Amino acid sequence: GIQVEQSPPDLILQEGANSTLRCNFSDSVNNLQWFHQNPWGQLINLFYIPSGTKQNGRLSATTVATERYSLLYISSSQTTDSGVYFCAVGGSQGNLIFGKGTKLSVKP
Amino acid sequence: DVKVTQSSRYLVKRTGEKVFLECVQDMDHENMFWYRQDPGLGLRLIYFSYDVKMKEKGDIPEGYSVSREKKERFSLILESASTNQTSMYLCASGTSPYEQYFGPGTRLTVT
Repeated sequence: GIQVEQSPPDLILQEGANSTLRCNFSDSVNNLQWFHQNPWGQLINLFYIPSGTKQNGRLSATTVATERYSLLYISSSQTTDSGVYFCAVGGSQGNLIFGKGTKLSVKP
Repeated sequence: DVKVTQSSRYLVKRTGEKVFLECVQDMDHENMFWYRQDPGLGLRLIYFSYDVKMKEKGDIPEGYSVSREKKERFSLILESASTNQTSMYLCASGTSPYEQYFGPGTRLTVT
């Protein structure tokens, strides 16, 4: 099955810094989502981005499907950005396959 | 906005009890999913459903069953709860299996 790898596993930033999170996948996909899991456990949709680039405020994402990776950019980070960021791709069963996540801590 | 709700945020049950976790979505989504999340293991799919009265096994269905009698509601049932079912349970729904929206989660502790 498809493997999804995220890097780095952990990231500590000072408030105001920028960061790039990476998601690599082992096979071609035509769908990909980025999620943020807040400290209370809620998974929040950030982007549905099978290809191309999207922006939403301080966050943007780029997927290069032909090269099997996606990047999530966080600019001017805030303490509320802390949590775990997951990417997920579509599996053959009609389900999502999740990476293990990047844990982000933003310090004031 | 998509709204997915789960019946409890925190639940404590005893070993051997029958446990019902309820999930309701208000967006008329055909697809609904149940996952569990454990440290070091990530999110794992338990069951999913593409339509009313329809269900499919995910990666770890053992010890669980599901019910989908109405389109908006998808229930996860632990027939006889065990301590290894202590976990965070997450429900999701979507018009497509590949674009899912999650509820707030239920932290279940089985003692």
